[in-house]
Amino acid sequence: NAGVTQTPKFRILKIGQSMTLQCTQDMNHNYMYWYRQDPGMGLKLIYYSVGAGITDKGEVPNGYNVSRSTTEDFPLRLELAAPSQTSVYFCASSYSSGGSYEQYFGPGTRLTVT
Amino acid sequence: GESVGLHLPTLSVQEGDNSIINCAYSNSASDYFIWYKQESGKGPQFIIDIRSNMDKRQGQRVTVLLNKTVKHLSLQIAATQPGDSAVYFCAETNQGGSEKLVFGKGTKLTVNP
Repeated sequence: NAGVTQTPKFRILKIGQSMTLQCTQDMNHNYMYWYRQDPGMGLKLIYYSVGAGITDKGEVPNGYNVSRSTTEDFPLRLELAAPSQTSVYFCASSYSSGGSYEQYFGPGTRLTVT
Repeated sequence: GESVGLHLPTLSVQEGDNSIINCAYSNSASDYFIWYKQESGKGPQFIIDIRSNMDKRQGQRVTVLLNKTVKHLSLQIAATQPGDSAVYFCAETNQGGSEKLVFGKGTKLTVNP
């Protein structure tokens, strides 16, 4: 299994541009998440999904949108990039079985908005 | 708001020593805790978890201790190795709630040879 994959690894955007961060998992996990990590900080939840067709806001959803049309994919959309969105973005997935709540993380996308 | 925090942002140890990384949590409803390790330029990686009905759990070279009375969590790493150098995060959730993890800021562990 490849686990959780993210593309691109790096991206530089100009203010006002748009982009989509891709996330795919091949573990048949029902839960998927998007986090952002600012320098020296922990992870903040942007959006999450408990299954295909279902998404919900996390702690910091403003400026982002998501969709979950399949179990495998959970893209994150930035519509009008702002410098405050400069961060490292991590996608994660988990299998909600009532047991472990371990989340599996992708390698991250480093985004700079200038 | 309630959040998971850490006592020390950095920790430096000698190779072979034992390391103790601490975490304080404030949400009394949290009943499940995870420790993650994040190496530079990588995503967080699961280390060990513990439920609130336990006060200790051991893995390979790692032990997590939970003190619900003072809402304190610690990660002990035995015989610390250079490969243990990373940022360590604790995370909490409420199993009966949203199941979303709340992450602390992290402690950067540096192992000196």
